[in-house]
Amino acid sequence: AQKITQTQPGMFVQEKEAVTLDCTYDTSDQSYGLFWYKQPSSGEMIFLIYQGSYDEQNATEGRYSLNFQKARKSANLVISASQLGDSAMYFCAMSPIIQGAQKLVFGQGTRLTINP
Amino acid sequence: DTGVSQDPRHKITKRGQNVTFRCDPISEHNRLYWYRQTLGQGPEFLTYFQNEAQLEKSRLLSDRFSAERPKGSFSTLEIQRTEQGDSAMYLCASTPPAGELFFGEGSRLTVL
Repeated sequence: AQKITQTQPGMFVQEKEAVTLDCTYDTSDQSYGLFWYKQPSSGEMIFLIYQGSYDEQNATEGRYSLNFQKARKSANLVISASQLGDSAMYFCAMSPIIQGAQKLVFGQGTRLTINP
Repeated sequence: DTGVSQDPRHKITKRGQNVTFRCDPISEHNRLYWYRQTLGQGPEFLTYFQNEAQLEKSRLLSDRFSAERPKGSFSTLEIQRTEQGDSAMYLCASTPPAGELFFGEGSRLTVL
């Protein structure tokens, strides 16, 4: 079984600072994907970034980067130069890679608040 | 708007009633997923379709739940004899053969 652990229920950061959201995972699968999603108050889950288990380089997407440490089974999200609009719930998730299907297992989330 | 569309956005019902949610995926996406999210938790996988075929159902999907995607386009999720424990946000997502999930804004169910 797969499991995602997010140990930070809430984070408070000053605008323009960088922030790291922690995520550790547990799986016996050899091939898997790691994802981060943002959920604003509207409820929609917005895809941010993806890292495959065999990708040697950390994924980056604009201000988002994923700090992937396979041996430690961690996949932390780093947001550089935070903005007020970054305030939201953030979920780490993983999925086995089976014929492209994405049966995501999510963590409990971290609520990020950006202060002006 | 060409995103994933869900209807209704909010539903309040009395225990024991049946409810049905509809999801319209992005048109070229062949896979469609249903997730459930209870308050303070991350979403949990319920089921998914590839075109019209329902390929997998989670153990969370009791016999009171049924999902269909009759023509491989929109999907419905029906809950019969609702219970208070069914109160949650029901999220639909779709994806092309290779690519990330695109989620709708969800249908929030409150069972009184």
